[in-house]
Amino acid sequence: DTEVTQTPKHLVMGMTNKKSLKCEQHMGHRAMYWYKQKAKKPPELMFVYSYEKLSINESVPSRFSPECPNSSLLNLHLHALQPEDSALYLCASSQDSLFWTSGLQETQYFGPGTRLLVL
Amino acid sequence: AQTVTQSQPEMSVQEAETVTLSCTYDTSENNYYLFWYKQPPSRQMILVIRQEAYKQQNATENRFSVNFQKAAKSFSLKISDSQLGDTAMYFCAFMKRGSRLTFGEGTQLTVNP
Repeated sequence: DTEVTQTPKHLVMGMTNKKSLKCEQHMGHRAMYWYKQKAKKPPELMFVYSYEKLSINESVPSRFSPECPNSSLLNLHLHALQPEDSALYLCASSQDSLFWTSGLQETQYFGPGTRLLVL
Repeated sequence: AQTVTQSQPEMSVQEAETVTLSCTYDTSENNYYLFWYKQPPSRQMILVIRQEAYKQQNATENRFSVNFQKAAKSFSLKISDSQLGDTAMYFCAFMKRGSRLTFGEGTQLTVNP
């Protein structure tokens, strides 16, 4: 089973709203990722969590706040977003994270994404 | 830094025919992994096939196979017996140990009936 789930599928929010994106996996993976993807472009890495600790923040604005409550769950809290933040937000997980240089080759499995529109 | 180049922004193929998508990459590493991901209009990123650089044998998954040329740093994807459901954006990606996934710009493949 290589399923990663994301909720909601679609989200429309105003610039003053606070919302959260949720990602869940039950594959026993210990690394989870948030990506942002604009139309017709490849995904851009935002955050990496490894063993429930934030290991990479790609200089993402503070209006995006990740959270990893446990090894199966990853949240992305959104506050005071801008229209240019409208995009597809993808979550992914892998068995381990190469950032730990564990020597394990780790394939990332993606969720279906949340399509976000900021008005 | 690693780079991945997909030189074909768009391609089309007739149903049941064979199509090859090209991908080249640049790295000084010897141990790494290469992937093809498929993203249909539903936008879910789906793993198509994976190749470990230390393996000489080309990976195959049903109708999908790769031609991995390590010396030439080339990693093309061949889709046989193309189906309408193969219509998608295809991303080639590179990953070395201790680093992140690096994607190419993608190739939009359209399968025509």
